[in-house]
Amino acid sequence: KAGVTQTPRYLIKTRGQQVTLSCSPISGHRSVSWYQQTPGQGLQFLFEYFSETQRNKGNFPGRFSGRQFSNSRSEMNVSTLELGDSALYLCASSPLPGQGANTEAFFGQGTRLTVV
Amino acid sequence: SQQGEEDPQALSIQEGENATMNCSYKTSINNLQWYRQNSGRGLVHLILIRSNEREKHSGRLRVTLDTSKKSSSLLITASRAADTASYFCAPFGGYQKVTFGTGTKLQVIP
Repeated sequence: KAGVTQTPRYLIKTRGQQVTLSCSPISGHRSVSWYQQTPGQGLQFLFEYFSETQRNKGNFPGRFSGRQFSNSRSEMNVSTLELGDSALYLCASSPLPGQGANTEAFFGQGTRLTVV
Repeated sequence: SQQGEEDPQALSIQEGENATMNCSYKTSINNLQWYRQNSGRGLVHLILIRSNEREKHSGRLRVTLDTSKKSSSLLITASRAADTASYFCAPFGGYQKVTFGTGTKLQVIP
């Protein structure tokens, strides 16, 4: 069974640009969560999608958005990039929303975004 | 939301020693999961312990859970250099969003 796939693995963008990251969950998983990891802030929750609907959202500005497609693949978009958006972006897939019902959440390898 | 807080923030031990890290959380849970992250990589799922379990083993890993104290511990026995990584706990309960703490950074010195 293929794991969680995130693309691209590395990305360098300029301030003010926008970026789209992709996450393909494990086959059969319908929940995708996104996290931002920076050295100073640790792992912070961005949002969660289940069956194409956003179920939960973290405390990030509106520049961060996401969506989920009918095949459960998810994308997150960051507009008007700032230097502070440089981070490792991780997605996690799980069969159910909120990772409930005693199921594991599986993470991808992440996308390393550098804003210059 | 559910958030785990790991303690200590950093731990340095010699190869062959045991490493213990702790996790505390605030609300009721269905289960608690531990993850490992090697530098700059994704999180690898290590072990899941359900709320009605007190102890669970997986290879050199031993996890305990005390729901009355809202705490868990992860013990890695006979540590190896390859265990050098950051370790995170994640409490899962219902359909709340899950956030992670800053992790315990473990360094195993050969």
